[in-house]
Amino acid sequence: KAGVTQTPRYLIKTRGQQVTLSCSPISGHRSVSWYQQTPGQGLQFLFEYFSETQRNKGNFPGRFSGRQFSNSRSEMNVSTLELGDSALYLCASSSVPKGYNEQFFGPGTRLTVL
Amino acid sequence: GIQVEQSPPDLILQEGANSTLRCNFSDSVNNLQWFHQNPWGQLINLFYIPSGTKQNGRLSATTVATERYSLLYISSSQTTDSGVYFCAVGQKVTFGIGTKLQVIP
Repeated sequence: KAGVTQTPRYLIKTRGQQVTLSCSPISGHRSVSWYQQTPGQGLQFLFEYFSETQRNKGNFPGRFSGRQFSNSRSEMNVSTLELGDSALYLCASSSVPKGYNEQFFGPGTRLTVL
Repeated sequence: GIQVEQSPPDLILQEGANSTLRCNFSDSVNNLQWFHQNPWGQLINLFYIPSGTKQNGRLSATTVATERYSLLYISSSQTTDSGVYFCAVGQKVTFGIGTKLQVIP
């Protein structure tokens, strides 16, 4: 079974731009969760989608949004980028809603905002 | 929300040595995972272990849910074990800050 894939792997943007990241979960998994990892804040939960519905949301501003498609692939969007958005963005998939079973992580997208 | 504490924050080992990493959590949980984050950022699943003991090669883990802690044992460490080890617990999958392990030859 193929693992979780994320595209792109690396991205450089400038302040004020917007960015879209993509995550394809393991086949058959319906839950996709997004996390932001920075040296100062560690791993922070952004949001979770399950069967195309946002199930949970972390404490991030409205500039961070996401969606999930019928094939369970998910995208997250960050608008009006700020320098502090530079981070490793990780997505994780699981067969059931997160927290009820094992999660599997993708390789991440490293975003640099200049 | 649930609090997760990992110790030690940093660990340097000579190759071949054994180590124990600890994860304490503030509330009862029915979900606990251990991950290894490699130098490229990939989080690799080590164990899904809400309770009990599991072993996989040189690694083993024990979770005592009633006492709210989990332990990760690394035996005969190798340089490839270097990286950051995270535990993540609970329904909200709260991560600890990790233990940064460096194994030197």
